[in-house]
Amino acid sequence: KNEVEQSPQNLTAQEGEFITINCSYSVGISALHWLQQHPGGGIVSLFMLSSGKKKHGRLIATINIQEKHSSLHITASHPRDSAVYICAALRPFYFGTGTSLTVIP
Amino acid sequence: NAGVTQTPKFRVLKTGQSMTLLCAQDMNHEYMYWYRQDPGMGLRLIHYSVGEGTTAKGEVPDGYNVSRLKKQNFLLGLESAAPSQTSVYFCASSLELGQPNQPQHFGDGTRLSIL
Repeated sequence: KNEVEQSPQNLTAQEGEFITINCSYSVGISALHWLQQHPGGGIVSLFMLSSGKKKHGRLIATINIQEKHSSLHITASHPRDSAVYICAALRPFYFGTGTSLTVIP
Repeated sequence: NAGVTQTPKFRVLKTGQSMTLLCAQDMNHEYMYWYRQDPGMGLRLIHYSVGEGTTAKGEVPDGYNVSRLKKQNFLLGLESAAPSQTSVYFCASSLELGQPNQPQHFGDGTRLSIL
């Protein structure tokens, strides 16, 4: 049983498409973290949120605490968005297995 | 500003050998973490530290030891390496623990192979 579930596991999109990655969790958390891992392996933080919605450029993250669900949206997707996106519940520490996104020109 | 630096980046060990992975951060963060990442599995927490001189077990601590003698450094040791410890190891740090405006900052990872 995974405390954090992501869907889909793999996603291929055409450049310009709107993308949604979903994350559901089964534990009580203090915050949810969205991370991006590029093919080279480095991991960068995109968002941390405990309620509502956050936006940074073409990326939007939302969270519904009651439903224990978060989504990461990418508007006007671009090939440079190709990466693995990971959601993580913090306190306690549980990570999803990631969504591998490929954006085709 | 270097952020989080892990050394070495790659290492191959034989079963039974020992080694230490070093993580250094220059952001004056209190919290530091060691994770392992295996194919098909999410990142799993090995050990973490809430401040200088403190350490705590994570989800998969067996076979590893850690030390935080200085605030900026967090060492991960394998006393007797086993093939099951072949993995990519990530170190991370944060100012606070699990607070929405205090994300974790990750190092570039260490690829460790145990033969």
